[in-house]
Amino acid sequence: DIQMTQSPSSLSASVGDRVTITCRASQGISNYLAWFQQKPGKAPKSLIYGASSFQSGVPSRFRGSGSGTDFTLTISSLQPEDFATYYCQQYNTYPFTFGQGTKLEIK
Amino acid sequence: QVQLVQSGAEVTKPGASVKVSCKASGYTFTDYYIHWVRQAPGQGLEWMGWIKPNSGGTNYVQKFQGRVSMTSDTSISTAYMELSRLTTDDTAVYYCARDSPLSYWGQGTLVTVSS
Repeated sequence: DIQMTQSPSSLSASVGDRVTITCRASQGISNYLAWFQQKPGKAPKSLIYGASSFQSGVPSRFRGSGSGTDFTLTISSLQPEDFATYYCQQYNTYPFTFGQGTKLEIK
Repeated sequence: QVQLVQSGAEVTKPGASVKVSCKASGYTFTDYYIHWVRQAPGQGLEWMGWIKPNSGGTNYVQKFQGRVSMTSDTSISTAYMELSRLTTDDTAVYYCARDSPLSYWGQGTLVTVSS
């Protein structure tokens, strides 16, 4: 199975900060990488697919990049509603696998 | 708009089975795969597999092979995930999600396995 490793596992930041979360695949997955945001008690929400394509309605402050094994999710100016847990997922090879999550907390 | 509405919470005993439903609306049900993902309390997301509603074809994660069955009823735009021989480790929120990839999610169904 392809292992997806996110870093950091947790992150404290302030409103207005720029933050970057990284996701590394144990083998190449081309650009078959998605990012999800999950708030407590809620279902995950799709943000990015194809490593860099936005889902409809996702604010432009979210940006995904990368290809192969190394990917990043950048939030350019944190807003209060962005504090949540973020997951990456590869869908290049079965079984599809998720990263362990990055919890973004308010500093 | 696209919606996936899941069945309500379940409490069941070890060794039993549970069947969770996922009713789709707002799109042509047979045009997209339905995936199932679970999340144990305080843990991350775990992909379980998918069903292709127009054919009934499935793809399951090996760890669930023999215990999971994903089906669909196209007449009512509903997908089902049944998990058998439950243990306490199967306590989790179970989500359905529409391809591709996982662009829309159901609200989740909490399954509690307890003696």
